[in-house]
Formats: sequence, structure tokens, C-alpha cells
Amino acid sequence: DTGVSQDPRHKITKRGQNVTFRCDPISEHNRLYWYRQTLGQGPEFLTYFQNEAQLEKSRLLSDRFSAERPKGSFSTLEIQRTEQGDSAMYLCASSYRGANSYEQYFGPGTRLTVT
Amino acid sequence: SQQGEEDPQALSIQEGENATMNCSYKTSINNLQWYRQNSGRGLVHLILIRSNEREKHSGRLRVTLDTSKKSSSLLITASRAADTASYFCATALYSGGGADGLTFGKGTHLIIQP
Repeated sequence: DTGVSQDPRHKITKRGQNVTFRCDPISEHNRLYWYRQTLGQGPEFLTYFQNEAQLEKSRLLSDRFSAERPKGSFSTLEIQRTEQGDSAMYLCASSYRGANSYEQYFGPGTRLTVT
Repeated sequence: SQQGEEDPQALSIQEGENATMNCSYKTSINNLQWYRQNSGRGLVHLILIRSNEREKHSGRLRVTLDTSKKSSSLLITASRAADTASYFCATALYSGGGADGLTFGKGTHLIIQP
């Protein structure tokens, strides 16, 4: 069990550029979640997948945000036309879909800075 | 919007003392989870308590849940420097126990003084 990994760990981009983050969940986990965390706040849920199906995306912050999990393994989160307000830590988590299984395992996050 | 709210926002105690932090939430829950976040290990699950449980222990952690008051508390006994971190309570964003997403409070920032 190597844990949830995220790449890159840090990203600095100029306003208006597109960015893409990658998350590799724990291998046997079929659920994958994306959260955003700003300074002094708890994580804020964005979207989640069960296998390759995106089951909830209404909480993506705007239509500039999109996520994919094409083969039910790794996932990507893309932000188009970045704005300074997008600067935050983007966290990925995974969990195993089983009876009474609610614990989520988080990756180290990708810290985005938009200049 | 955040359902859980932790109290206090910040807490500083001496090593060896006990630390207690509280969480209040707004809607009915299936379970409540506590997570810890520090710079070294990121966000880590600590303990889950189900709605039909009133108290749960794990090592130096003790969690209580009062569904009538919609509140939970986390007690860390015999605190250590390594317990310095932010602590968050989390509940399900939707029905289903949290498997389809969690909502977190703003957290309690705990500092253990040597």
C-alpha cells in the first residue's frame, strides 16, 4: 500500500493558463474524491468517482473545472483559464466501496499558486 | 457550506496535558469522522463514530457523540509534541454515510508546548 499520490506537489501558473493535476489512488480503492482547501479552512468537496463514473459534479466551483477518471484508476482535475481565486491546495482522496466503509485516505495535495 | 464547526478554533496546551475539542453539526448523520492534518503527514483519518454509538476509544483518543445536541468531542490524553496539528470533524455531505463526499469544519488548531 503506497498511499494516494498526487502530481505535481506544487504548481505556479499565470492567470489565464490551464492547469491539470493528477491523482493516483490506492490500487484497490474504487472511489476517488477531489477537494479544495484554502488557508484556514477545512477541505471543500468538489467531485467524486466510483470506478470511471463521475457520480457527483454539481459542486465543481465553475464550468472552468472538470475532472476525469478514464479507466477507473488515476484521475485528473483540470482548471481552465485560471484565476487568482483558484489559488489553493487541491486534495485527492480514495476509499473502498464496501459495507460501512466511509474512511477516506488523502494524498499530500497539489498546491496551486496563480500569479 | 460547511456543516461541522469545531470549537475552539485554536488551543495551546503543555505537553502531557489533555486536549479537548468540540464539533457541532446541523443535520442528521449516519456517522461522524475526525481527521488530523499536519505539514508532515497531510490529512489523516483518526476515528469514526456511528450515530448509534455514544463513545469510542482508539489509543489516546476518545470520541463522544451526542446526536440530540448534534455535537461531538475529541479528547486527546497525555498530549505529545507530535499531536500538534489541525483537527477536523467531517460528516456526510449527502445521505449515505459519507461515501459520496464529506463536509469538513474549519478545524481546531492544536499546539502542544514542550
